Amino acid sequence: KNEVEQSPQNLTAQEGEFITINCSYSVGISALHWLQQHPGGGIVSLFMLSSGKKKHGRLIATINIQEKHSSLHITASHPRDSAVYICAVDAGGTSYGKLTFGQGTILTVHP
Amino acid sequence: DAGITQSPRHKVTETGTPVTLRCHQTENHRYMYWYRQDPGHGLRLIHYSYGVKDTDKGEVSDGYSVSRSKTEDFLLTLESATSSQTSVYFCASRRQGDSGANVLTFGAGSRLTVL
Repeated sequence: KNEVEQSPQNLTAQEGEFITINCSYSVGISALHWLQQHPGGGIVSLFMLSSGKKKHGRLIATINIQEKHSSLHITASHPRDSAVYICAVDAGGTSYGKLTFGQGTILTVHP
Repeated sequence: DAGITQSPRHKVTETGTPVTLRCHQTENHRYMYWYRQDPGHGLRLIHYSYGVKDTDKGEVSDGYSVSRSKTEDFLLTLESATSSQTSVYFCASRRQGDSGANVLTFGAGSRLTVL
């Protein structure tokens, strides 16, 4: 079983819909990252969370440390949001920032 | 004004040849990482560095070595390339401390094909 599980693996939405991507992990962590990767493109860090909630524009990320679960929400989705969204966890301590990644969620937003 | 650059961006080579990928960051980040990304596997850590001349192995380090002689440069070497090392390689850097946003920066990736 992977230490980091994302769901769904694939997600298709219509423009304007509210989108939720989930991430569950099985290890103790100091922080969780949400990353975005466009087709053929590089990887961009969206959020780093250690507790609570963060918001940036139409993106909201939440984390529940006790339940070992995080969600990434996109409000009023747009075709330009189409990308792979990747969850990654940092075990902290002497791990020197090494991350364990989920498999990614492929999001396609249709006009 | 990219904070982290990788070179080459694309390379085709033959089995058995040595290959070096370069990662250069201008963020003065302490930590640097090399990952490979393959379909069905996601991102996997090859090697990482927690300071100049301080490096350690990740989960898929066999067949790879790294060096970090300066804060800004982290080199990944495939000593004798094999077809199983055909992949997209990403470099990343991270500043010390967890405060603030965008603590993690990725390069644009290097696509390596081993024939």
